[in-house]
Amino acid sequence: AQTVTQSQPEMSVQEAETVTLSCTYDTSESDYYLFWYKQPPSRQMILVIRQEAYKQQNATENRFSVNFQKAAKSFSLKISDSQLGDAAMYFCAYRTWAGANNLFFGTGTRLTVIP
Amino acid sequence: DTAVSQTPKYLVTQMGNDKSIKCEQNLGHDTMYWYKQDSKKFLKIMFSYNNKELIINETVPNRFSPKSPDKAHLNLHINSLELGDSAVYFCASRTGTYAEAFFGQGTRLTVV
Repeated sequence: AQTVTQSQPEMSVQEAETVTLSCTYDTSESDYYLFWYKQPPSRQMILVIRQEAYKQQNATENRFSVNFQKAAKSFSLKISDSQLGDAAMYFCAYRTWAGANNLFFGTGTRLTVIP
Repeated sequence: DTAVSQTPKYLVTQMGNDKSIKCEQNLGHDTMYWYKQDSKKFLKIMFSYNNKELIINETVPNRFSPKSPDKAHLNLHINSLELGDSAVYFCASRTGTYAEAFFGQGTRLTVV
């Protein structure tokens, strides 16, 4: 079974600084997707970034980028120039490549942004 | 326009009652899901529904039953509610052309 581990229950970052959230996963598959979702206090689950396992290039979305290390099964999220609106729970998630497959979530990291 | 909408957003009910949470998606997606987020924020799949195929997480009590009248809807019905059912329930949908799932805003269920 796939498992996703986020070892940092809480993180904090100074506004305008950079922070990295860690995620590791366990799978025997070679093709899959990885995601970071953000959940602000509004409760809405918002997709931040996604990575296809077959792509060697790390995904980037504006201030958000990932460090995808397939052999190490590691998928960290880097937030640059942190803003107050980045404060939220961040969930790492895994999904297999095909079929009506579910997302497997990590336990989340609560990010606090300090003004 | 909301892509995945759930109603109600909040639901407070007594133990033993039966309740339903509705979910509708206007994205034309062919797969829908229900997730449960517990008090520790852990998200766990409950059901997925694709082309009339229902896949049930075996850990979900049979008091929970999904009902899909059509591709755009996947409602969650809960019988004999228990205190431990209190959680936030998320509906989500996905289609084969997208990797990611799109989530509704969640329904906070409180059983008293």
